[in-house]
Amino acid sequence: QKEVEQNSGPLSVPEGAIASLNCTYSDRVSQSFFWYRQYSGKSPELIMSIYSNGDKEDGRFTAQLNKASQYVSLLIRDSQPSDSATYLCAVRPLGSGNTGKLIFGQGTTLQVKP
Amino acid sequence: NAGVTQTPKFQVLKTGQSMTLQCAQDMNHNSMYWYRQDPGMGLRLIYYSASEGTTDKGEVPNGYNVSRLNKREFSLRLESAAPSQTSVYFCACGTGNQPQHFGDGTRLSIL
Repeated sequence: QKEVEQNSGPLSVPEGAIASLNCTYSDRVSQSFFWYRQYSGKSPELIMSIYSNGDKEDGRFTAQLNKASQYVSLLIRDSQPSDSATYLCAVRPLGSGNTGKLIFGQGTTLQVKP
Repeated sequence: NAGVTQTPKFQVLKTGQSMTLQCAQDMNHNSMYWYRQDPGMGLRLIYYSASEGTTDKGEVPNGYNVSRLNKREFSLRLESAAPSQTSVYFCACGTGNQPQHFGDGTRLSIL
């Protein structure tokens, strides 16, 4: 089992719809969770951080964390064509100590169709 | 505020040549990281430096060396480039439980 798993997609949604991106992780005691957006040919860009169970909202983005079920999700409301990108889930396991190391999923490609 | 600066942005090498990828950050973060990204493989950690003066291997260290020159700078060296090292290389920095921040990447082709 991969440590951080994402469906590679592509996930295709119409403009204005809600896009739901999911990520599961294997280390039950993981501490911190991040969502990065990566446009084709560009570097990963942080869009959300979440550290405790529940929902965290930032504009059109909502991150949801459920540590008991070991999943973290990203919802994008009112999806726009400019949201078309690859979304990377990253997890910081408890054992990373002060190294700050992250484990990345393979990424989910999102296509928002006008 | 430049964040994380990587040089060069593009490079073509011949097999067996050596080169050093440079990375500098002005975010005052303690830790720095080198990743490679290949199609279908996601981001894979090559080496990292948790703090100035320390370096450690990541998931795919073979064929690479690193130097943490000071708190700001972390370089990646390919001593004898191989076609399998054709990739996009990203440098990142971070501190503790905070997220990592990435540079723009170096696109490296080895013929």
